Amino acid sequence: GESVGLHLPTLSVQEGDNSIINCAYSNSASDYFIWYKQESGKGPQFIIDIRSNMDKRQGQRVTVLLNKTVKHLSLQIAATQPGDSAVYFCAERDTGGFKTIFGAGTRLFVKA
Amino acid sequence: EPEVTQTPSHQVTQMGQEVILRCVPISNHLYFYWYRQILGQKVEFLVSFYNNEISEKSEIFDDQFSVERPDGSNFTLKIRSTKLEDSAMYFCASSEARTTGVIFGQGTRLTVV
Repeated sequence: GESVGLHLPTLSVQEGDNSIINCAYSNSASDYFIWYKQESGKGPQFIIDIRSNMDKRQGQRVTVLLNKTVKHLSLQIAATQPGDSAVYFCAERDTGGFKTIFGAGTRLFVKA
Repeated sequence: EPEVTQTPSHQVTQMGQEVILRCVPISNHLYFYWYRQILGQKVEFLVSFYNNEISEKSEIFDDQFSVERPDGSNFTLKIRSTKLEDSAMYFCASSEARTTGVIFGQGTRLTVV
């Protein structure tokens, strides 16, 4: 069945370093992908999205890469800051569907 | 910046009681959603709502649940006969279109005792 999963449950990085959070998805019919950040006690916060007709999209300090061949999604955070500490979820939506399927989440720790 | 507003932030209810969780989606959004997150777990889709009807629902969204858009601004989730396992964070969300970013509210923490 369809699923979105994450390779690593936790990631610890030094402040100022770049972070890479990975995600695997299994639904070939997915055409839209999103990264969310969730801080403790808060709702998921939209970070960046990418459509399946693209393989890279950049935002402010963040880049999302999509490799449809191996069904892999990654989020790169440049110059990671303490405020980036949170759980990061990748999510997907399939063509014609209305639901967003979330992965299990990766907790990012930023060490000062 | 526009935001999705949810009330209450925390609801405690006795097992077997009915609860209504309320949401005000972003005003120009047309698609509305409810998700839930059991403590420490991932966010799970419950239901989507578009054009005044349910457009998609998950297996979780059984007859115990219902949604309603009673007026032009509110979107509610009703849970009948609550069970202990219904305890979770419930997130309302909205989006402008089907393939645009879904914006989440801050959630209602439901505790069933």
